[in-house]
Amino acid sequence: QVQLEESGGGVVQPGRSLRLSCAASGLTLSSYGMHWVRQAPGKGLEWVALISYDGSSMYYANSVKGRFTISRDNSQNTLHLQMNSLRGEDTALYYCASATGWSFDLWGRGTLVTVSS
Amino acid sequence: QSALTQPASVSGSPGQSITISCTGSSSDVGYYNYVSWYQQHPGKAPKLMIYDVTYRPSGISDRFSGSKSGNTASLTISGLQAEDEADYYCSSYTSRDSWVFGGGTKLTVL
Repeated sequence: QVQLEESGGGVVQPGRSLRLSCAASGLTLSSYGMHWVRQAPGKGLEWVALISYDGSSMYYANSVKGRFTISRDNSQNTLHLQMNSLRGEDTALYYCASATGWSFDLWGRGTLVTVSS
Repeated sequence: QSALTQPASVSGSPGQSITISCTGSSSDVGYYNYVSWYQQHPGKAPKLMIYDVTYRPSGISDRFSGSKSGNTASLTISGLQAEDEADYYCSSYTSRDSWVFGGGTKLTVL
């Protein structure tokens, strides 16, 4: 069964860091660019970051640029999102999604990040 | 990176057709044919329904169709069914090497 599974979410204080992971099964991640997309509670979707299939290029939303870093380990079939200097507005369900062309193809179920003191 | 504009809600009766609009700018929807649409049921992950404006992924019903005119893209659902009740989001690639989503539209099947 082809699926993505996010992990690493939790409750963190403002200004602290958190690292999210996305593991793939039934899917070779090295063949795909990968996105992170987030959804604040009760709100819409917001694109966060993209990494190319080989990790050579990364792109970020202005809202996270300079604070978040997307990376991948193709040998482990895993995607990561390092989140530093977290703010309350970063509270959201974070999804990883495979990039097929210019769309978001396969999505995980998400991992919840809550930034609160 | 302003969000694309979608109506907050639309509704229709079973068997009817509805259309959801998605308005952007000449830097995203109007410039690229890279508009996609996602269906999200409560508590579930989004699901790709339409990509590159008009194309359906394998397994998606042909009741779902997409189009674009100028800076506005549209998703049409024909033969409305109860299971179509969900939130729908549009997305577009932008000229700033980024992606932008619409605010989402809640579809109610009456």
